[in-house]
Amino acid sequence: DAKTTQPTSMDCAEGRAANLPCNHSTISGNEYVYWYRQIHSQGPQYIIHGLKNNETNEMASLIITEDRKSSTLILPHATLRDTAVYYCIVRVDNDYKLSFGAGTTVTVRA
Amino acid sequence: DGGITQSPKYLFRKEGQNVTLSCEQNLNHDAMYWYRQDPGQGLRLIYYSQIVNDFQKGDIAEGYSVSREKKESFPLTVTSAQKNPTAFYLCAGSVRIWETQYFGPGTRLLVL
Repeated sequence: DAKTTQPTSMDCAEGRAANLPCNHSTISGNEYVYWYRQIHSQGPQYIIHGLKNNETNEMASLIITEDRKSSTLILPHATLRDTAVYYCIVRVDNDYKLSFGAGTTVTVRA
Repeated sequence: DGGITQSPKYLFRKEGQNVTLSCEQNLNHDAMYWYRQDPGQGLRLIYYSQIVNDFQKGDIAEGYSVSREKKESFPLTVTSAQKNPTAFYLCAGSVRIWETQYFGPGTRLLVL
């Protein structure tokens, strides 16, 4: 799997959009970009994934650059409950490995 | 309420004791997984099951055992052979093997 680089931490104001960057410059053509988050002492929660096109669901939007070397997860209206560690993972569909790196600790402040 | 449930939330084990962690799902997922998470480390795969009555060892299966007698249930037993059992244990499921995985809330195991 390609490695990802995420900022260690970031703050966001409640009600504002949170934009979480992820670099994956060595991504292969058949690797998807997945996002999970983990709230303290809870299990990881799947957020969204995509291959090439931008994706949106009820939780977030995923913007993937045209060269696929980076992506941004957007939480449109951050709430205090969005405070968590966010993990960007690249993996081949149906791959054995689900490798969580260090992630980005996002703190939403009132 | 649908999803993956794990119980108990906290579990205490005495030295030399086997303990069983429960994982149940009502999502009709064929595949289920057990992971272990330690502070500052990522997830490590213990066992996985592609379908009922089938399971395979993951990366760190020593000292653990599982069963998959029902589609809905995938219990994990931490045996006395597991020398460092203190960790956060996560169960996950996916519609088919290695597809998008959905996790339960986790069980924190502590050794007394």
